[in-house]
Amino acid sequence: SSELTQDPAVSVALGQTVRITCQGDSLGTYYASWYQQKPGQAPLLVIYGNNNRPSGIPDRFSGSSSGITGSLTITGAQAEDEADYYCNCRDSSGNYLVFGGGTKLTVL
Amino acid sequence: QVQLVQSGAEVKKPGSSVKVSCKTSGGTFRNYPISWVRQAPGQGLEWMGGINPFFGTADYAQKFQGTVTITADESTSTVYMELSSLKSEDTAIYYCARDMRDGYNWALDYWGQGTPVTVSS
Repeated sequence: SSELTQDPAVSVALGQTVRITCQGDSLGTYYASWYQQKPGQAPLLVIYGNNNRPSGIPDRFSGSSSGITGSLTITGAQAEDEADYYCNCRDSSGNYLVFGGGTKLTVL
Repeated sequence: QVQLVQSGAEVKKPGSSVKVSCKTSGGTFRNYPISWVRQAPGQGLEWMGGINPFFGTADYAQKFQGTVTITADESTSTVYMELSSLKSEDTAIYYCARDMRDGYNWALDYWGQGTPVTVSS
């Protein structure tokens, strides 16, 4: 079972702001990264180190962390943001990489 | 431009093994570990393990210890993942990804296109 917990599904109206969360004990120590995955495609890194965006990722994507909860926020969601989103982090031992179960984002 | 190109789809019988390759380009092969992640149909992402080409050392998720072997060939900038004793539950898409792990951070920044592996009798 995953040590990181995500809501299975979230929806947002076009142009509105949505927050996707990831909870787990190891997030109190280590940084979260976030991935976007569209059907039939490989995952795409959108946030690393809690709040850093790789080159080419729109600035409407941002990350934050508080306690044992990491968050991915999309400010002004676009239709093309509809996808599955996964968090990951080191596990509590620090030796292994774990993923959350994923959140399906629907843009209405 | 960093690219990871994986080998093609595989169909295997239960009990057999599969070896998937991941050829990297556009970066210095020895500088970054490569991880393997799998995704069963309709399911989430699962880290299997990774290798540091600089040291030639691999680490594996506990679930896969004993069944997965990850190796690297520096001469061809290629990483391999071999999964043995295949079961139907191993049917999945297998991804390689460049691994940025340091200190408190562990992220996978470039991904291969994925290799579907089907295990069926």
